[in-house]
Amino acid sequence: GAVVSQHPSWVICKSGTSVKIECRSLDFQATTMFWYRQFPKQSLMLMATSNEGSKATYEQGVEKDKFLINHASLTLSTLTVTSAHPEDSSFYICSTQRQGGGETQYFGPGTRLLVL
Amino acid sequence: AQSVTQLDSHVSVSEGTPVLLRCNYSSSYSPSLFWYVQHPNKGLQLLLKYTSAATLVKGINGFEAEFKKSETSFHLTKPSAHMSDAAEYFCVVTSSWGKFQFGAGTQVVVTP
Repeated sequence: GAVVSQHPSWVICKSGTSVKIECRSLDFQATTMFWYRQFPKQSLMLMATSNEGSKATYEQGVEKDKFLINHASLTLSTLTVTSAHPEDSSFYICSTQRQGGGETQYFGPGTRLLVL
Repeated sequence: AQSVTQLDSHVSVSEGTPVLLRCNYSSSYSPSLFWYVQHPNKGLQLLLKYTSAATLVKGINGFEAEFKKSETSFHLTKPSAHMSDAAEYFCVVTSSWGKFQFGAGTQVVVTP
């Protein structure tokens, strides 16, 4: 399987601050990356689809001004949680999809965010 | 629209005995289907995928799944459970746009 890294692996921040999470595709150039969030004991919920060089596509109910996504290169996408609040505390996972490689997604190890 | 139902939220098995994780799906077209495993506080690892080739799909770590169109099922099995199989398992169906629709997950507990 492909290697996808996320940084940081966990972060604790104060309410009102912004947090940036990086997702890197280490094995191939990923034209498409996905961002998910996962609450404890729950499944993954797609937040947005990140396409290199264009604006991200957000799922219904996800605030694009709160969750800023930048896919500036074929190997890096970032998710910035702006003005974080305790309800934003969650496990954020990214995935990558290889161009021409079918629908398989390769997932990062996740980032645990705790907002105090 | 697509949906996926994992019929068991928890499965407990003894080490060395078979594992069966059930997944049913609904789709308005012929989807791709996946099984992923997630160990605690980790990302997801691909176990296997079905993409309209052979209906019996073999994956990593001894897992396999059978696609049954008539039953709209894609159950995951392993003949002999190992302690390291204790994890959360997700069945996934793709939408026509290639997006992933996750099942609710099945927690597998393996007892000695």
